[in-house]
Amino acid sequence: NAGVMQNPRHLVRRRGQEARLRCSPMKGHSHVYWYRQLPEEGLKFMVYLQKENIIDESGMPKERFSAEFPKEGPSILRIQQVVRGDSAAYFCASSPEGLVNSNQPQHFGDGTRLSIL
Amino acid sequence: GENVEQHPSTLSVQEGDSAVIKCTYSDSASNYFPWYKQELGKGPQLIIDIRSNVGEKKDQRIAVTLNKTAKHFSLHITETQPEDSAVYFCAPNQAGTALIFGKGTTLSVSS
Repeated sequence: NAGVMQNPRHLVRRRGQEARLRCSPMKGHSHVYWYRQLPEEGLKFMVYLQKENIIDESGMPKERFSAEFPKEGPSILRIQQVVRGDSAAYFCASSPEGLVNSNQPQHFGDGTRLSIL
Repeated sequence: GENVEQHPSTLSVQEGDSAVIKCTYSDSASNYFPWYKQELGKGPQLIIDIRSNVGEKKDQRIAVTLNKTAKHFSLHITETQPEDSAVYFCAPNQAGTALIFGKGTTLSVSS
């Protein structure tokens, strides 16, 4: 029973390049969340998606960042024209479908460590 | 928005002692209260959670207590072991919304 899978685990990019981070949720999970973690800090919410829909992107920078969760395939977090400040660990979490107004536990992958040269 | 604080930020205990980490939050609408454990190089792992209609929950050496009136909940670890050493995060939230993480508590258990 595979958990949340993220790849790559480590990604190095030069300033101005594009970074693509992938997340495959746990089997049966249709909700995906992306978080960013700076060194020695807690995780900060970026975006919440369900299949083919962005539910909440209030934590995502307006420029250069985008996310999708297509009907088939993994969720993708895309960062265009990366800058040094984008260096961080990016975590994806997934949760199952649940009743309206119920809380479903979020299960995390082991993250992608993005380094910008 | 939700304001989450954890105390202490670091905690050192001897093996076998108990450890308690407290999390305070500001949003009275929060109704789900999980604790996560993060080891170096790994993602956060859910270790225990509690919902607002329950005051306490226990799972072997780990327990969580909730005081909704005072808006805080605590993680209790008894009989600590070196493998409990990690960073612990609380992340209160409301149904269908993102988790709001505290800044973490680094627990060190020495043998």
